[in-house]
Amino acid sequence: GNSVTQMEGPVTLSEEAFLTINCTYTATGYPSLFWYVQYPGEGLQLLLKATKADDKGSNKGFEATYRKETTSFHLEKGSVQVSDSAVYFCALSDFYNQGGKLIFGQGTELSVKP
Amino acid sequence: DVKVTQSSRYLVKRTGEKVFLECVQDMDHENMFWYRQDPGLGLRLIYFSYDVKMKEKGDIPEGYSVSREKKERFSLILESASTNQTSMYLCASRETGQGVGYTFGSGTRLTVV
Repeated sequence: GNSVTQMEGPVTLSEEAFLTINCTYTATGYPSLFWYVQYPGEGLQLLLKATKADDKGSNKGFEATYRKETTSFHLEKGSVQVSDSAVYFCALSDFYNQGGKLIFGQGTELSVKP
Repeated sequence: DVKVTQSSRYLVKRTGEKVFLECVQDMDHENMFWYRQDPGLGLRLIYFSYDVKMKEKGDIPEGYSVSREKKERFSLILESASTNQTSMYLCASRETGQGVGYTFGSGTRLTVV
């Protein structure tokens, strides 16, 4: 079945450092890929998405490119801020398999120190 | 923007009580979902619904039931709360279609004592 694997956290960075959070997936069809962010005590918010191969999703300085050849959707940001401290979830959905239900990775906690 | 509202941010209930968690969305979405989130276990799907009066079991439905009498409201019911149901509960909705993400509520942190 479909699945998502994320790098384990926690990830601790200094402010203005470069961020990469790795995400790889397994899917039988042509899924859409998502990154969600969860700030402390909150629900999940959609950060960015990509719906087909080679698409790049971007938002708030974060980027991720849908790489079909490596089945990856790594999240990157060039310069993190303390306010980026949160848990990040990679997810996929395939409308034609499993009816579009989101399948989540385990989440990666990011802590940014001043 | 779509809004998904969960009625309570924090709840404390006693073992054996019947607990209702309410979720309302305001954008006419067909699909609604209940997840629970626990440290080290990520998000696990409890139940979902593709239409009014329709429900499907997710990965961990035991000890839970749901109700969807109106399109905008999806209720999660703990028939007899137990301490192992202490968790963060997240409701989400989405419209039908490929490439459509979920919109989540802010979550309800339930403690069963």
